[in-house]
Amino acid sequence: DTAVSQTPKYLVTQMGNDKSIKCEQNLGHDTMYWYKQDSKKFLKIMFSYNNKELIINETVPNRFSPKSPDKAHLNLHINSLELGDSAVYFCASSQDRGSGQYFGPGTRLTVT
Amino acid sequence: SQQGEEDPQALSIQEGENATMNCSYKTSINNLQWYRQNSGRGLVHLILIRSNEREKHSGRLRVTLDTSKKSSSLLITASRAADTASYFCATSAGGWGKLQFGAGTQVVVTP
Repeated sequence: DTAVSQTPKYLVTQMGNDKSIKCEQNLGHDTMYWYKQDSKKFLKIMFSYNNKELIINETVPNRFSPKSPDKAHLNLHINSLELGDSAVYFCASSQDRGSGQYFGPGTRLTVT
Repeated sequence: SQQGEEDPQALSIQEGENATMNCSYKTSINNLQWYRQNSGRGLVHLILIRSNEREKHSGRLRVTLDTSKKSSSLLITASRAADTASYFCATSAGGWGKLQFGAGTQVVVTP
């Protein structure tokens, strides 16, 4: 019955590796988001997709690439991981752009 | 840049007391939202107040919005230990649903 799910929950990897985080929502929402939460709990939007179309692309290094195969899925691929990429990444979805957002449980990424 | 700034950064109260936290923002908004985050978990949407609304209630939560002062407050009445969490305000402006979050208020409710 999970509304927004993410895998994996934890990801520990070495600098330079490439990794992906997957997100799925079963709410029938049109809009999905990726956020990064740093160690001080500050949340910053990275990307947003509406019906598989990229609508928000914040100032994020191009090592980060989102992919939305369908409107229920939004994956995040990260190339050449750096120490500063260590954070918790949250996926979220909303009915439309003006609604409250439903967040996934987060993926804690640790780059060593 | 951060849009919302929350005050206080941390709040410690006893069960049964009320908790009030404030959020100030800088630019015009479409709506303002409050979220709760329990330790190690995702955010949970609590309440959304639109720019043309002044007050909204949901259970023990009361949110006010003063667009002239660019500020909002969240009141939790009769707090419980389960209310222990971080509370974030987030503003939405423009047409894309982009939320800008404040740094959060950490609330601890002791039995």
